Amino acid sequence: AQTVTQSQPEMSVQEAETVTLSCTYDTSESDYYLFWYKQPPSRQMILVIRQEAYKQQNATENRFSVNFQKAAKSFSLKISDSQLGDAAMYFCAYRSRGATNKLIFGTGTLLAVQP
Amino acid sequence: GAGVSQSPSNKVTEKGKDVELRCDPISGHTALYWYRQRLGQGLEFLIYFQGNSAPDKSGLPSDRFSAERTGESVSTLTIQRTQQEDSAVYLCASSSPDFEQYFGPGTRLTVT
Repeated sequence: AQTVTQSQPEMSVQEAETVTLSCTYDTSESDYYLFWYKQPPSRQMILVIRQEAYKQQNATENRFSVNFQKAAKSFSLKISDSQLGDAAMYFCAYRSRGATNKLIFGTGTLLAVQP
Repeated sequence: GAGVSQSPSNKVTEKGKDVELRCDPISGHTALYWYRQRLGQGLEFLIYFQGNSAPDKSGLPSDRFSAERTGESVSTLTIQRTQQEDSAVYLCASSSPDFEQYFGPGTRLTVT
């Protein structure tokens, strides 16, 4: 079974600085997707960024980018120029290319942004 | 169009009562998922519906949990004889096949 591990329960960053959130996963599959989701206090899960495992190029989305290391099974999220609105819980998630397409989540990292 | 909606937003119930949670997916999305999020935890998969195929119920934690979906529309998650450990946020998501899942705002269930 696949597992996702986020070893940083809480992180803090100064406004305008850069922060990296860590995620590792375990799988025997070769083709899959990885995601980062943001969950503010409103509870709404918001997709931040997505990476296909077969793509070597790291995904980027404006101030958000990932460092995808397939051999090491590592998928970190870098947030550049942090803004107060980035404060939230961040979840790393895995999805197989399979029949169910269910997401497997890590336990999350709570990010605080200091003004 | 409108996003995924869920009702009620919050539900407080007494231990032993049954509860029904509702999810309205995005129109046209054939896939629908239910997840449970306990306090301070990530989301746990509960059940998946895809069109007219048999649902994947592999994540349901006990036979007190069941879910239905009518065609490609509304889904209800039912918890019978609720227990305190059922207290959590229940999130619904919908998607087109093999595309991103869009989440609703969740229902916070508190069992007293």
